[in-house]
This record gives sequence, structure tokens and C-alpha cells, in this order.
Amino acid sequence: AQKITQTQPGMFVQEKEAVTLDCTYDTSDPSYGLFWYKQPSSGEMIFLIYQGSYDQQNATEGRYSLNFQKARKSANLVISASQLGDSAMYFCAMREAGDNQGGKLIFGQGTELSVKP
Amino acid sequence: DSGVTQTPKHLITATGQRVTLRCSPRSGDLSVYWYQQSLDQGLQFLIQYYNGEERAKGNILERFSAQQFPDLHSELNLSSLELGDSALYFCASRDSRGLLYFGPGTRLLVL
Repeated sequence: AQKITQTQPGMFVQEKEAVTLDCTYDTSDPSYGLFWYKQPSSGEMIFLIYQGSYDQQNATEGRYSLNFQKARKSANLVISASQLGDSAMYFCAMREAGDNQGGKLIFGQGTELSVKP
Repeated sequence: DSGVTQTPKHLITATGQRVTLRCSPRSGDLSVYWYQQSLDQGLQFLIQYYNGEERAKGNILERFSAQQFPDLHSELNLSSLELGDSALYFCASRDSRGLLYFGPGTRLLVL
């Protein structure tokens, strides 16, 4: 069965420093997609970044990059130059196997990131 | 702003009642996905509609139902509500690249 594991329930980072949020996944499907979402205290789910299993390069979106290590089945989110507004819950998610349309996601339990001034 | 709209933002009701949550996908997106986020279960996929047709079901209770209308907005109906149904309900739409964008959610509290 597919599974997403986020082993860090909570993390602290100093403002302006970089931080890595861990995500490991388990799937036997050769084609899959990995997502990261941010959920601030207001509750909305904000799409951050996407990595396809066949993408040759690691995805980047502004200060967010995804450290994709396929052999290790990890898809860690790296946030560079942390800002106070980055304090939030972060969820790693994977497209469900056989979901050709791409909207059925399996989510991890999340990591709560706190940025300290 | 993801472009996905959901109403109401908050809903407080009593056990045994029925409520309707409404969602409009992003302009141009034909699909709607409903998710539930609860403290004990985390984020779970409930149901998907594409251009008015149900396409996939996840962990959706029989007391819950949904539909998508010709104008592509969708409604999630929750009936015979129980305390455990208190959760944040998200609607999402999928773009042509397969990326999923979530609405702001409806926070349901069942008392």
C-alpha cells in the first residue's frame, strides 16, 4: 500500500536560515507525483511544489526546492532564507496509484514549522 | 488565492442535522475533489467529480453525498451529523498539469 511518512512532528528554524522538512514515501507504482502543501494557522492549503517521478531535475519554486532522491524514496522540502510567514504546517502528499487524473492524494501527517526571529 | 471558492467558511450545527457545503472550482477546471481534515484521521480524500459525473470515491461515509452541477459548482451534503464529523472540509480542483489547488475550506463543528 502507498504511504507517506513525515517523521518530524515539529521543527524550529531561525529566521533567514534554510530548513529541510523530511518526507519519505512508499509505492510500487513506477509513475507517481509528489506534492508539498503549506497550511498556515488560518487553515487554507497552499500548493508549494510538485515533483513527478520521471522528472530529471529537482523541482524548484522560488525559495522552495524539492530534494528528490528516488532510490531512497525521499522527497524532502528545502526552504531557503526562512521568513516569519513560513511558520505553518507542511504536508507532503503523493498521487494515489492508478489515479490517472491526478487529484487523489495520500497525505502525510505533517510537520509544524516554527520560524524564530 | 487558489481560485477555488468554498462557502460557508464556518458552520456550527447540532448532532442529527444535515448541512450542505458548496464549492466552485477554478475557472476552466472541470474536476472537483472533496477532502476531509480531522485531528484523528488527517487529510482524507472523499470523492471526485469530473464535468458532472462521479469519478472516484474514497473514504466517504454513506451519510455523505455530493454532486456537481452543470455550472461545475459542487455541493457536499452531510446528513445525520455526529460529533466525529467535526472537521475541516476542503474542495479542490485540478488543472491540466495534474496539480491540485485547494479552496479555503469549510470548518464544521457539530455540537
